[in-house]
Parts: sequence; C-alpha cells; structure tokens
Amino acid sequence: DTAVSQTPKYLVTQMGNDKSIKCEQNLGHDTMYWYKQDSKKFLKIMFSYNNKELIINETVPNRFSPKSPDKAHLNLHINSLELGDSAVYFCASSQTGVQPRQYFGPGTRLTVT
Amino acid sequence: LAKTTQPISMDSYEGQEVNITCSHNNIATNDYITWYQQFPSQGPRFIIQGYKTKVTNEVASLFIPADRKSSTLSLPRVSLSDTAVYYCLVVNSGNTPLVFGKGTRLSVIA
Repeated sequence: DTAVSQTPKYLVTQMGNDKSIKCEQNLGHDTMYWYKQDSKKFLKIMFSYNNKELIINETVPNRFSPKSPDKAHLNLHINSLELGDSAVYFCASSQTGVQPRQYFGPGTRLTVT
Repeated sequence: LAKTTQPISMDSYEGQEVNITCSHNNIATNDYITWYQQFPSQGPRFIIQGYKTKVTNEVASLFIPADRKSSTLSLPRVSLSDTAVYYCLVVNSGNTPLVFGKGTRLSVIA
C-alpha cells in the first residue's frame, strides 16, 4: 500500500486555468504538508496542516488554496495558473512526536503552457 | 532553523564507502540532524536521523561529533542505485516544515 499518494502524477494545462492536486496518506499521521520543487530543484515548503488546521502558510500567492477535509487528505487548489507555477509539487505527512520524520508522496509535475 | 552547508556534488566508484559531510554551525540544543535521499522524479526519502555520537541503520551511518556543528553521512559500499541527491537538514522536535538546501548530488560510477 502506498503511504502517501498524489493524483495526478502529471498535469499539463494552460495559463489562466484552475486545477487541483489531491493528496492522501494512510499512515494515520496528524500533519500534512505541501512542498514545491522548482526547475532549479530547490524544495520549499508551501503549507502545513495539523489535524485539519492550517499552521504554516509561507509566502505563497493567494491563488494557491489548500483544503484538508480530514486528517488523511490535503488537497491543493490553484486558481489562474501562471507559467511560473510550473514545478513538481510534493505532498508529505508526519506524526507529532519527538523525532518526526516526513514521508513524501511521488510528486505531481505541473506544466503550465 | 540552522542553515546547513554540504558539497554540491561527489563522485564515487561502485563498492566504495562514501562520506558526505555537512556543517551546521548554528544548531540549537533541541535540533536533530536528519538526512534525506531523493532520486530523480521521486519525493525525498528519509535515510537517518541522529542527535549525537553515532547512529547506524540498514542503509547508512551518521557520525556526529561532540560539538554537533557538523555531521557525516556514511554510505557503505555504494552501488549505482545510490546515485541521488542527499540532503542534510537540521530539524527540531515538532512538526516544523523541512528546510532543504541544495543537497549533494552523488554520482556512482561503475
């Protein structure tokens, strides 16, 4: 069973469109994250949710809106897509504890044309 | 969070031991040192984590000196499949997001 899954794996869309990426974890973790890895391979945090509540929102355009319907899911909705949004988006999860480790999903490669 | 510095790239032949050193001069008392591995087109994968001295698991060893200002990830007898980017991170106890640097790109050559 896949621990952290994302759909879709690839997403090609045009500028101005609205798209969503879904993430699910079956590890029973209480915290989920969205990271963005750009063309230069830098991996940066975008959002962090703990028990369905937003706890971290880095400097991300408000076109990006995360939604967590329950602890096992964290979806990312992007409005009015721009060329600069092209990147690989990774979902991750962890469990509150002394030495939490994060488990990453396989990533969603978003290409905006 | 403490900033880390590690070599941009390393090359190694198959079967050799690879040591990747990371410096984290500003590490705090409650920080842990964690290493992740990332293959192309995949998400980062946890390798090992430690607080001090030495930690060993089935994949790697992590050596941390007493001052904890640096650490060394040791990969025994690497194979071609160990070719990846290795990230050294300093994390505290809690669900804080990981701060990734540029990592070390390890290329294993036959």
